Amino acid sequence: SQKIEQNSEALNIQEGKTATLTCNYTNYSPAYLQWYRQDPGRGPVFLLLIRENEKEKRKERLKVTFDTTLKQSLFHITASQPADSATYLCAPSGGYNKLIFGAGTRLAVHP
Amino acid sequence: DTEVTQTPKHLVMGMTNKKSLKCEQHMGHRAMYWYKQKAKKPPELMFVYSYEKLSINESVPSRFSPECPNSSLLNLHLHALQPEDSALYLCASSPPGRARNYEQYFGPGTRLTVT
Repeated sequence: SQKIEQNSEALNIQEGKTATLTCNYTNYSPAYLQWYRQDPGRGPVFLLLIRENEKEKRKERLKVTFDTTLKQSLFHITASQPADSATYLCAPSGGYNKLIFGAGTRLAVHP
Repeated sequence: DTEVTQTPKHLVMGMTNKKSLKCEQHMGHRAMYWYKQKAKKPPELMFVYSYEKLSINESVPSRFSPECPNSSLLNLHLHALQPEDSALYLCASSPPGRARNYEQYFGPGTRLTVT
């Protein structure tokens, strides 16, 4: 069955550093992969979408890579700020109009 | 208007009650979704409506009954729920198009407690 793995432990980093979050998937080949941010008690917020024929996508301080050979996506936040502290969800597409969410990685950025 | 609204924010219901959750968007999106999220877990897809027709039902128990009265509204009717159904229920919508996947816009959720 389709499986998505994200770092289950929280990632603690210092303000100003680059945060790198990992998403690995197995047993399928998604055509798209999306990243979302979720704050406690709130709905996820879309950040970036990358297609299988794209290696890298950037938006302001965010960068995502998609390696279909390794079946892995990396999500980077450069010059991190305490306001970036949240849970980040990886969501490879699971079919038409269907996303499968990973368990998420909790990021804590310390001043 | 770029938001998805959900009502109520909180709902407490007994196992014999009937209640409904409501979701609304005015972004012209033609795909709408219901997700269930338990604490410290990712959102789990329940239903997808595409152009007001049910296109995906992820084997959800019949005590959950979705309805899409028009392109802006999505309801989830609840009946005879169990305590384990307590969770955050999220609604989402996404734009129409020929591509297989677009980003999804989520509402703030309804926190449901079944007693």
